[in-house]
Amino acid sequence: SYELTQPLSVSVALGQTARITCGGNNIGSKNVHWYQQKPGQAPVLVTYRDTNRPSGIPERFSGSNSGNTATLTISGAQAGDEADYYCQVWDSTVVFGGGTKLTVL
Amino acid sequence: EVQLVESGGGLVQPGGSLRLPCAASGFTVSSNYMNWVRQAPGKGLEWVSVIYAGGSTYFADSVKDRFTISRDNSKNTVYLQMNSLRVEDTAVYYCARSVDTPMVTRYFDLWGRGTLVTVSS
Repeated sequence: SYELTQPLSVSVALGQTARITCGGNNIGSKNVHWYQQKPGQAPVLVTYRDTNRPSGIPERFSGSNSGNTATLTISGAQAGDEADYYCQVWDSTVVFGGGTKLTVL
Repeated sequence: EVQLVESGGGLVQPGGSLRLPCAASGFTVSSNYMNWVRQAPGKGLEWVSVIYAGGSTYFADSVKDRFTISRDNSKNTVYLQMNSLRVEDTAVYYCARSVDTPMVTRYFDLWGRGTLVTVSS
């Protein structure tokens, strides 16, 4: 079965750029979607099909995908961006990464 | 307002059953792909089941033959019927609408707040 690998945690200084990676075999050939989940809340879609942003999601959230790594980039991270982030692909079924806890220092 | 509201969670003994409704508003469930995704306490997300607009249903291997998914178009509500529950089914269960390109991709653009199911003796 297909596996997605995310770092358990990422830290970023307030206002700096955070990059959260999602590794998978030839993931560049798949569409990658990212979700943000704050404590006690439901996940929220922040990017889809690698680089697209749903309406209402700030421009500081962007995605990229190539080779064996997809990346969610948060430019100018804010305190409110502290959350768990999950990547997700389709590989004959829905596959989620294990999640990354983002801490804004 | 476009939203999903789950209910029906609670404490159930191993081997028991539970039915989770997911009431939709602002859109029609019968025209969409509707899913259940669960999250065990302190763990990540796990897809559970989908019902397609055409009525086809699919399940994760972990729940196959124990769970069923259905919908009531008159109530604009999707249901997850869970039988033969196990301790490892303990989780928050989210209802989620998906956008599908068949055989290519699926992503979840609308989520409910979830309902907690605890399986314990």
